[in-house]
Amino acid sequence: AQTIHQWPVAEIKAVGSPLSLGCTIKGKSSPNLYWYWQATGGTLQQLFYSITVGQVESVVQLNLSASRPKDDQFILSTEKLLLSHSGFYLCAWSGVNQDTQYFGPGTRLLVL
Amino acid sequence: GDSVTQKEGLVTLTEGLPVMLNCTYQTIYSNAFLFWYVHYLNESPRLLLKSSTDNKRTEHQGFHATLHKSSSSFHLQKSSAQLSDSALYYCALSDGATGGNNKLTFGQGTVLSVIP
Repeated sequence: AQTIHQWPVAEIKAVGSPLSLGCTIKGKSSPNLYWYWQATGGTLQQLFYSITVGQVESVVQLNLSASRPKDDQFILSTEKLLLSHSGFYLCAWSGVNQDTQYFGPGTRLLVL
Repeated sequence: GDSVTQKEGLVTLTEGLPVMLNCTYQTIYSNAFLFWYVHYLNESPRLLLKSSTDNKRTEHQGFHATLHKSSSSFHLQKSSAQLSDSALYYCALSDGATGGNNKLTFGQGTVLSVIP
């Protein structure tokens, strides 16, 4: 069975500090990977997707970047956090050419 | 672009009463998939139902929904609410494209609160 793990579970960070959020998928070879974000009171929106190692496409510009250093790993990062980065970050995977996405437990981020 | 509307932010029901959570959508893609995800506190959002077939009822774990392309709706229903149904429910849409980005467009979510 496939499992998806996100870290950390929650973070409180200062404005201007760096951030790195991680996501690992086990039990699935060459998944499509996605990052979603939900601001407080907002709607989940897709930030990035990746269909292969080393290749990441940006969907929404939020002064964030993403990387896929391994087949099973997806990293979301920024060098300088903004207050507007606060929210809930979800990682998801799907099979290639498959419609259903499976989500991780998410990371809650508060930027002060 | 695509959009999904869930008008109710919060639905409070007494246990045993029927559940109906509304979802309407807009898309230009005729092969769009519609999904209902359920998100319990401290768990991962998980798929509850999905459909891309017009006028076909889809059922899972006591919940059902029928995709009506004529009215662009995919309402979630259950005949009798249980306390354990209390959760956040998302309606979502993907354009059905194969390969590349399988982007999900979400509604705002509806919190279902079932009370004794």
